[in-house]
Amino acid sequence: ETGVTQTPRHLVMGMTNKKSLKCEQHLGHNAMYWYKQSAKKPLELMFVYSLEERVENNSVPSRFSPECPNSSHLFLHLHTLQPEDSALYLCASSQEEDRRQFFGPGTRLTVL
Amino acid sequence: ELKVEQNPLFLSMQEGKNYTIYCNYSTTSDRLYWYRQDPGKSLESLFVLLSNGAVKQEGRLMASLDTKARLSTLHITAAVHDLSATYFCAVDWVSGTYKYIFGTGTRLKVLA
Repeated sequence: ETGVTQTPRHLVMGMTNKKSLKCEQHLGHNAMYWYKQSAKKPLELMFVYSLEERVENNSVPSRFSPECPNSSHLFLHLHTLQPEDSALYLCASSQEEDRRQFFGPGTRLTVL
Repeated sequence: ELKVEQNPLFLSMQEGKNYTIYCNYSTTSDRLYWYRQDPGKSLESLFVLLSNGAVKQEGRLMASLDTKARLSTLHITAAVHDLSATYFCAVDWVSGTYKYIFGTGTRLKVLA
């Protein structure tokens, strides 16, 4: 595997379900990010992890819970989501000094 | 509040023509980035502009940065169909909290 991978690529869940999105980067970077991309809205930064510590949480509802067990892996745990949470969720990584971001293919999430 | 605005939002152009996409941001930023997103795919980094007057070119795309005017441009020379995509600019800064803000994107369609 190369670059940034995300699983699953597509996810359909009910509002009472609990699911997790997974991201893995193979670039040796030390920062990882979660973004939400909705139709007709700019890309929104959700969480930032640098050296495995969360450094930014942009007022994201608590039904989204990130986890970064090491510098290569990032999870987004989802529970009791709302239909308006349906979107493309993108993971990215960067080297902290460079900050140019490398994106994964995204997970297309649909909440019913 | 940091805002990043792009114009135009949509651009339809003939092959062989030149055009410029503009990116304005509302406050001092450390760096400016340009990304490309093909339909149904993730974002790909194009350029990182680090200082006032910076200019970078790759193929038919050239990006420049004027930090005094808080303006970046992405110039397309002799457009070809393969350049059809959505182009995003983004700015970031690290001052207290970390912010990485994307513009709304410019959807470019190059007509054969």
